[in-house]
Amino acid sequence: AQKVTQAQTEISVVEKEDVTLDCVYETRDTTYYLFWYKQPPSGELVFLIRRNSFDEQNEISGRYSWNFQKSTSSFNFTITASQVVDSAVYFCALSEGADSNYQLIWGAGTKLIIKP
Amino acid sequence: EAGVVQSPRYKIIEKKQPVAFWCNPISGHNTLYWYLQNLGQGPELLIRYENEEAVDDSQLPKDRFSAERLKGVDSTLKIQPAELGDSAVYLCASSLGYGRSGEQFFGPGTRLTVL
Repeated sequence: AQKVTQAQTEISVVEKEDVTLDCVYETRDTTYYLFWYKQPPSGELVFLIRRNSFDEQNEISGRYSWNFQKSTSSFNFTITASQVVDSAVYFCALSEGADSNYQLIWGAGTKLIIKP
Repeated sequence: EAGVVQSPRYKIIEKKQPVAFWCNPISGHNTLYWYLQNLGQGPELLIRYENEEAVDDSQLPKDRFSAERLKGVDSTLKIQPAELGDSAVYLCASSLGYGRSGEQFFGPGTRLTVL
């Protein structure tokens, strides 16, 4: 079973619309970390946020906000007033397990297209 | 501050040929990762280094892939011989600390095409 599920393969919206990217994860660990990365057409993965499992506070950074809900094992990402430059593939990732086996478990990504 | 540097950015080779990718991590980052990314998918870890030690290479196809990180800084990933299925983007990343909380910084990747 997939540990990180990004059910939306592709989303297309018109500029200035709000858009939410979904991420559902699965883990038995009580301590874990969740991440979001952006991959623009240039190809370089850009770190956006890290959240540990003990911090359920929502976070806002400019037009970006994240909603972490342990009850539903979700860590959704919302872009407010989207812009063309937001067009990219967005990945959600999970880090769990003993440090000796540390690795990021990645979702399949959601391709976001912002139309002018 | 310079980011993770990778070269070359693009490589086209014929099958059965060898190929090597180079990565220079962010200065001071002890941990270095090599990932493979196929089109439309998330990255897949190939190997992780803590300084010069390969601490997780369980997903590295050792019959044809090899990696080294001499002196715990730069790293090289090699494929010999390359197969058609190796066509992908090879990403290098580095992080400051050990363990699962460290955010990883990625290079631009090397896009490999095997003909």
